[in-house]
Amino acid sequence: AQKITQTQPGMFVQEKEAVTLDCTYDTSDPSYGLFWYKQPSSGEMIFLIYQGSYDQQNATEGRYSLNFQKARKSANLVISASQLGDSAMYFCAMRYGGSQGNLIFGKGTKLSVKP
Amino acid sequence: DAMVIQNPRYQVTQFGKPVTLSCSQTLNHNVMYWYQQKSSQAPKLLFHYYDKDFNNEADTPDNFQSRRPNTSFCFLDIRSPGLGDAAMYLCATTGGATNEKLFFGSGTQLSVL
Repeated sequence: AQKITQTQPGMFVQEKEAVTLDCTYDTSDPSYGLFWYKQPSSGEMIFLIYQGSYDQQNATEGRYSLNFQKARKSANLVISASQLGDSAMYFCAMRYGGSQGNLIFGKGTKLSVKP
Repeated sequence: DAMVIQNPRYQVTQFGKPVTLSCSQTLNHNVMYWYQQKSSQAPKLLFHYYDKDFNNEADTPDNFQSRRPNTSFCFLDIRSPGLGDAAMYLCATTGGATNEKLFFGSGTQLSVL
């Protein structure tokens, strides 16, 4: 069965420091995509970063990078130089099943950035 | 300009009174998803369409139905809302390839009185 696991319900980080949010996944599908979304208190889902199962290099998008360890089935999000506006829920998600496939979410991590 | 539009932003209905939530997209995407998100929880996939092919999640209650009359529009019908159906309902679209991100609407917050 396909599964996404986020084991950190909440995290605190000091402003300007880096933080890592954990995500592990399980799938038997050889082709899959891993996403991270940010959801502020206003409720909208904001796309942050994507990693494909066949990508050789870790994805980076500005202050966001994805530490992809395929053998360990982990896809951790690293946020560098945290800002107060980074305080939000962060969801790891996996797309599988090809073009008609699903996207499922982990339970999320609530990140709080302290001034 | 918003590319995935959900109406209304807030919807109040009475216990047992049918309600319809709508989603439209200007992206011409093949795939449209409906998610239910309860407070402080992850979005839960209810069903999705690939073009006109409907894919229902096994644990989606029969009380929830969906229609997709054309590429641009998709509707979520709740036939007899219960108090437990109060949630945020999110619509999302994607072009179909595994590496394509989903575009989300701003959601409809449903209250059941």
